[in-house]
Parts: sequence; structure tokens; C-alpha cells
Amino acid sequence: QVQLQESGPGLVKPSQTLSLTCTVSGGSIGTGSYYWSWIRQPAGKGLEWIGRIYRSGTTNYNPSFKSRASISEGTSKNQISLELTSVTAADTAIYYCARNPFSDVAYDAFDIWGQGTTVTVSS
Amino acid sequence: QSVLTQPASVSGSLGQSVTISCTGTSNDVGDYNLVSWYQLHPGKAPILLIFEVSKRPSGVSNRFSGSKSGNTASLTISGLRADDEADYHCCSYAGRSTYVFGSGTTVTVL
Repeated sequence: QVQLQESGPGLVKPSQTLSLTCTVSGGSIGTGSYYWSWIRQPAGKGLEWIGRIYRSGTTNYNPSFKSRASISEGTSKNQISLELTSVTAADTAIYYCARNPFSDVAYDAFDIWGQGTTVTVSS
Repeated sequence: QSVLTQPASVSGSLGQSVTISCTGTSNDVGDYNLVSWYQLHPGKAPILLIFEVSKRPSGVSNRFSGSKSGNTASLTISGLRADDEADYHCCSYAGRSTYVFGSGTTVTVL
């Protein structure tokens, strides 16, 4: 059974770069009809889609992030990374990674999620 | 991209039904049959309840059902149970390989 686990620093200083990793277990990011997405939820607010990556390295992003976000395959196998530059307090949120099928499994939805990791931006 | 509009909260008694609306525009909800719904409990991984407006993934109770009319999608929870108390978020494909989520709705079971 595929499982996702987010990890990274819980505290980032303003203007610095937030870096997170999503480790996929029980399956491979290199097989199947799946994108892998990053999604976040600021406290008391709704979810916000950040972007996604396909195994070929193809990426798509939410225009709201204005090139601050970068998603890539991690340095280790079966990992996806997120970098968000020039962070501010508004980037404080729970960050999730999620599997994003483009097959009948759950077309254009997010069918498997990690538990999320909380990131606080503060000096 | 604009956030899809959901009521902040809905409530219902045990065994009753509640419906959560999700209003978008002709650029997202109205243009694609690609609306999905998620249940969030604090500290847990979100759960996919509905995809493609009304389809349920394997393992999701048939107490959860989805529909769409024009620019508004809806999630109905029937036979309300105590463990249905959670936050619910809708999502729509918004074209150009992007997605937009709703503002989220807290369901309270009375």
C-alpha cells in the first residue's frame, strides 16, 4: 500500500527558502499514471494547490506562487522535493504531498495524502 | 485563481443528512466534471471521498454522494455519524494543468 511522508524543518526565517521532502513507500514514483503534488493549508484557511511533478520531470504550478515554488525529484529514490523561496509569515501552513492520478483510479483528484508537516515562518 | 466558495459550517443531528455546497465559476466547476471532495481530521492524512463530481473511491461509504449543477458542486452526507465531524474541502480542475480548492466547511454533528 502506497504511503507518503513529508519531512523538513518546522521553522524557517523570513526571506529564506523553505525546503521539504516527500518520501513515497510501498510504490514507485517512476511507474504508473501519477503526478505527485504539493498542497498546503494555512491555519484556519482552505487548502491551496502549489504544484505537481510527473516522473518525466514535467512540472505544473499554481500561478499564485509567481515562480517562488520549485518541485523536483529528490536526491534519494522515491522522493519528491519542494522549495519555496523568499518566504513570509503568509507561508506558515501545514504542507502535504499527495498522489494525483490521471487514470480511472481517481482522475484529476488527490487519492493518497501524507499526514502533513507544519512549517512556521518566523524570525 | 479564485478560491471556491463553501459555507464555513454546517450542522446536523445524528442520522440526518447535510449538504455542503461548493461554488466556482465557468472557468473551473462549471467547465469541467472534475470536482473532488476531501475529509480532513486534525493530525491525520486527508481522505478522498468523491472524484469526477460523483464517483466514490473503493472503500468510501455510500453515505457520501456528490453532484453538480452549473457552477456549483455539492457533497451530501447521509445517515450522519459522530465520526463524520470533520472539515470538508472541495477541489476543481481549473484548466491549464492547475487546480483550485474551496474555502473548507466544518461539519458539526449535534
